[in-house]
Amino acid sequence: DTAVSQTPKYLVTQMGNDKSIKCEQNLGHDTMYWYKQDSKKFLKIMFSYNNKELIINETVPNRFSPKSPDKAHLNLHINSLELGDSAVYFCASSQDLHQPQHFGDGTRLSIL
Amino acid sequence: GEDVEQSLFLSVREGDSSVINCTYTDSSSTYLYWYKQEPGAGLQLLTYIFSNMDMKQDQRLTVLLNKKDKHLSLRIADTQTGDSAIYFCAETDYGNNRLAFGKGNQVVVIP
Repeated sequence: DTAVSQTPKYLVTQMGNDKSIKCEQNLGHDTMYWYKQDSKKFLKIMFSYNNKELIINETVPNRFSPKSPDKAHLNLHINSLELGDSAVYFCASSQDLHQPQHFGDGTRLSIL
Repeated sequence: GEDVEQSLFLSVREGDSSVINCTYTDSSSTYLYWYKQEPGAGLQLLTYIFSNMDMKQDQRLTVLLNKKDKHLSLRIADTQTGDSAIYFCAETDYGNNRLAFGKGNQVVVIP
């Protein structure tokens, strides 16, 4: 009965590879987000989607491409992975843009 | 935009109360949140308060809001080892349709 689930939980890969992280929410929420948490635990919003439409697109390299096939899913594809992409990536969802956000458990990405 | 500030580290003995502080800069009506992040886990929404309230209590948690000083605090009564975590305050940034997070406050509970 997990509310916001993301896969995989751990991702270890080599520089230059392309990888995807998947996120699904079963809360019936309209809005989904991707955050990046760095080694100092600082949380930075990357993207948000409302009803499958892109609302927020922060200054993120265009190697990062979100895709929302439906309201319950927001996937993150990353091309040409770099060392600096190592971080924990969190997916979140909320009823709308101004309601409390519920987070997944994170995907720990390590670039070798 | 919003700028949310938090102190970094707090150690507390089991059974004592702990208080975590946060300041924010936006003066408009807004929601303010406390999230808890345990090691290796995601962020768990603990509680939230609307800016027209001064206080909210939920079991061992008490949120106090001082609107004049733009100061938010979270008091945990009878702190337990399971309360060891990083606590983030966050504010709804209506203008930019996002949450503005503080840098987090690590709480370590000593048995």
